[in-house]
Amino acid sequence: EIVLTQSPATLSLSPGERATLSCRASQNVRGYLAWYQQRPGQAPRLLIYDTSNRATGIPARFSGSGSGTDFTLTISSLEPEDFAVYYCQQRSDWPPTFGQGTRVEIK
Amino acid sequence: QVQLVQSGAEVKRPGSSVKFSCKVSGGRFSSYALNWVRQAPGQGLEWMGRIIPLEGTATLAQKFQGRVTISADELTSTLYMEVSSLRSEDTALYFCARGGYRGAAGDALDIWGQGTMATVSS
Repeated sequence: EIVLTQSPATLSLSPGERATLSCRASQNVRGYLAWYQQRPGQAPRLLIYDTSNRATGIPARFSGSGSGTDFTLTISSLEPEDFAVYYCQQRSDWPPTFGQGTRVEIK
Repeated sequence: QVQLVQSGAEVKRPGSSVKFSCKVSGGRFSSYALNWVRQAPGQGLEWMGRIIPLEGTATLAQKFQGRVTISADELTSTLYMEVSSLRSEDTALYFCARGGYRGAAGDALDIWGQGTMATVSS
């Protein structure tokens, strides 16, 4: 199965700062890369699908980029509600797999 | 708007079975893929399987084949998952999720249920 490795494990930033999260796949995922946000005690929320498409209702400060095996989620200016855990997910090959997550915490 | 509402928390003995439910309201049921994802305490997300009610066939992650059954009732717009031969490692929060965007192998999951906590303990 495709292994997704997210880095860093934890990102310590202040509100208003830019966050850059990385997801590296063990093989080419052909752009089928999604990003989710999970706040404590909540279900995950889809942010980005197919590398760069924002899901319905997702603010423009969230953007995705990348290709092949290397992908990035960027949050241009952190809002208080953005401090959460973020997961990447591939659906290029069975089974769909998730990265281990990056925690964005308040510095 | 589409909502997925899951059944309540479960406490089970090792070796027993548990059946989760997930009722879909406010949207089309049959044509979307419906997935199950679990999350062990303090851990990440693990995809378990999915079903497309219109097609009727479930696809499972290999590690769950033989122990997990996914089904869907189109009359009541309810998704089910039964997990048998429970062990302590199955203690987790189980989510159902709609596959809003199809990919080559599975879906991007755009709507999620609230989760059902299952605890397996003797």
